[in-house]
Amino acid sequence: SQQGEEDPQALSIQEGENATMNCSYKTSINNLQWYRQNSGRGLVHLILIRSNEREKHSGRLRVTLDTSKKSSSLLITASRAADTASYFCATDRASGSRLTFGEGTQLTVNP
Amino acid sequence: DVKVTQSSRYLVKRTGEKVFLECVQDMDHENMFWYRQDPGLGLRLIYFSYDVKMKEKGDIPEGYSVSREKKERFSLILESASTNQTSMYLCASSFPGLAQPGGYNEQFFGPGTRLTVL
Repeated sequence: SQQGEEDPQALSIQEGENATMNCSYKTSINNLQWYRQNSGRGLVHLILIRSNEREKHSGRLRVTLDTSKKSSSLLITASRAADTASYFCATDRASGSRLTFGEGTQLTVNP
Repeated sequence: DVKVTQSSRYLVKRTGEKVFLECVQDMDHENMFWYRQDPGLGLRLIYFSYDVKMKEKGDIPEGYSVSREKKERFSLILESASTNQTSMYLCASSFPGLAQPGGYNEQFFGPGTRLTVL
């Protein structure tokens, strides 16, 4: 099964609203990353949170990490139509460079 | 700007053909990866490479092989394409991850190759 699992699978909101996506994982990690993928394109790195961090901000993005619950959330504030994309969490295991991706959350922001 | 390029955006091949997917990165990254992405299954790792001439199997290596003769280039080979290999193929590269807390290994992705096997 996937190390990272996002929920919801799909989310539809209106422009200006906040969007929250969650990720759960099973084993201990070094860090957790969030990526974005526009339709039919490659993934783009958004933000990384280390295992010893609890919260991180980057522009309109806020990521939290709860290692006791093995979960993370990505919050996009004041969403825009251009935020419409799939969002993936990815975790690395303690031993090296390999990332394991979840199945993604498809976010649709309606104008 | 980091750039990862893939040889084709779209490719149509016939069952049984040998298929080469090429990936080139210009950031001198040690690590390179090949994933396939299918609806409902997310990204699955096929093969990866930590160095020139080095390769390791990912989660779904069956039916695939790879080649890394130069640091900047990582090729995915479908020895005999089958219809169940119709998919989006994504290449990525990164610096080495650090096997310690706080290791950092952001991956940079190419635009993807959508392969259809008829």
